[in-house]
Amino acid sequence: AQSVAQPEDQVNVAEGNPLTVKCTYSVSGNPYLFWYVQYPNRGLQFLLKYITGDNLVKGSYGFEAEFNKSQTSFHLKKPSALVSDSALYFCAVRDFKAAGNKLTFGGGTRVLVKP
Amino acid sequence: DAGVIQSPRHEVTEMGQEVTLRCKPISGHNSLFWYRQTMMRGLELLIYFNNNVPIDDSGMPEDRFSAKMPNASFSTLKIQPSEPRDSAVYFCASSPLGGGAHEQYFGPGTRLTVT
Repeated sequence: AQSVAQPEDQVNVAEGNPLTVKCTYSVSGNPYLFWYVQYPNRGLQFLLKYITGDNLVKGSYGFEAEFNKSQTSFHLKKPSALVSDSALYFCAVRDFKAAGNKLTFGGGTRVLVKP
Repeated sequence: DAGVIQSPRHEVTEMGQEVTLRCKPISGHNSLFWYRQTMMRGLELLIYFNNNVPIDDSGMPEDRFSAKMPNASFSTLKIQPSEPRDSAVYFCASSPLGGGAHEQYFGPGTRLTVT
C-alpha cells in the first residue's frame, strides 16, 4: 500500500522568508514523489517530481524539494516566498512496485504568504 | 496543446436529475483519471482508465456513479440520480503510460451543485 501525509493544514510565512511544506510517505518499494499546487478555482498544476537520481529536485516557480529516504520525507521548499505563492499544495506518491499508475495524494497544505 | 478540457465548467441541478460530466484528455495520453474534491474529504480518486479500459473503480462512491471512455479522446462521468451530497468539484486528469513516473495533467474542473 502507498500513503502520504502532510502534517500541516496551513503554513503562514512572511513574504521574503523561506517557505517549507512538509510531506512524508509510506511505500513498500521505491517511491515516485510529486508536488502539485492549486490556485483558487483552478485545477492542480504540477510543480516537480522525484523519480531517481539527485535527491534535490528543482521545479517550477523557484520551488525545490529534497528526497530523504531515511526519513521517508519529500519536503517542498522555496528560499524566498512571494505573496503569489499563496495556494493549496499537494504531495503525492506512487510505489514503484505497485501495479497500475495511480497516485495517492496527501490532504493538502494551505500556504498563506503575508506581505 | 490545449491541455485537458472539461465541460461544463459549472453545473447546477436539482436532486434526482441526471448529470453528465465530460473530459477530453491531452492527445497521446493513455491514462485518464477522475477525481472529486470537497472541503470535507479532500481530493479523492474515483476511477481511472488505461488505454480506455477501467483499471480501478474502487473510489466510485455508489452505483449512482458510472464512467465510460469510449475512445482515447473522450470520457464521461455520470451521476444518476444526483443528490445534494454529490456537490463537489470534479477533476479529470491525464498522463502518458509508462511505469507511473509521469505526472498527471489536470483539467480546470467542473463545479457541481445539486440542490
